Amino acid sequence: AQSVTQPDIHITVSEGASLELRCNYSYGATPYLFWYVQSPGQGLQLLLKYFSGDTLVQGIKGFEAEFKRSQSSFNLRKPSVHWSDAAEYFCAVNNQGGKLIFGQGTELSVKP
Amino acid sequence: EPEVTQTPSHQVTQMGQEVILRCVPISNHLYFYWYRQILGQKVEFLVSFYNNEISEKSEIFDDQFSVERPDGSNFTLKIRSTKLEDSAMYFCASDEGAWGETQYFGPGTRLLVL
Repeated sequence: AQSVTQPDIHITVSEGASLELRCNYSYGATPYLFWYVQSPGQGLQLLLKYFSGDTLVQGIKGFEAEFKRSQSSFNLRKPSVHWSDAAEYFCAVNNQGGKLIFGQGTELSVKP
Repeated sequence: EPEVTQTPSHQVTQMGQEVILRCVPISNHLYFYWYRQILGQKVEFLVSFYNNEISEKSEIFDDQFSVERPDGSNFTLKIRSTKLEDSAMYFCASDEGAWGETQYFGPGTRLLVL
């Protein structure tokens, strides 16, 4: 069965520090891969997605993610975190059929 | 930018009561979804809907749940007889295409069943 694992439930970084949020997926083929962000009281906003091609994808708000097939990973990175990045981040996959399968989420706190 | 809207933002109901959660998808989108997130758990797929039919549903989506597109704009999720375990945040999403490439999510309805 398809699954998504986000090993880190909660991460705290200092403002200006770099960030990497981990995501591993289990799927037979290469799925579509996504990162969403959820701020308190808000819906899920798409940060970036990977379908094929260049394994490094750029998203909104200065985020990027790298697809590594050999590791079944799709980690999210940002070189310099801002206080407004504090939120919950979800990795998701789909099998090109619409339904999204989400990871547990990683809550990001940003220290001043 | 177009957005998905959901009403109400919060709903409190008594166990056994029926609730209807409403969503207005983005106007040119054809594929619609409901997901839910129980507090502290992951977001889970409930159902997808296209061309006035359910495309796919999860095991969670049992006979107590139904979806409908009653007019050209609304997309509703009905829970016939709510249970305590239905307490969750319910998200609606819509997509232009069939492959789930870009699902836009609404802000959610927080349902509390007492």
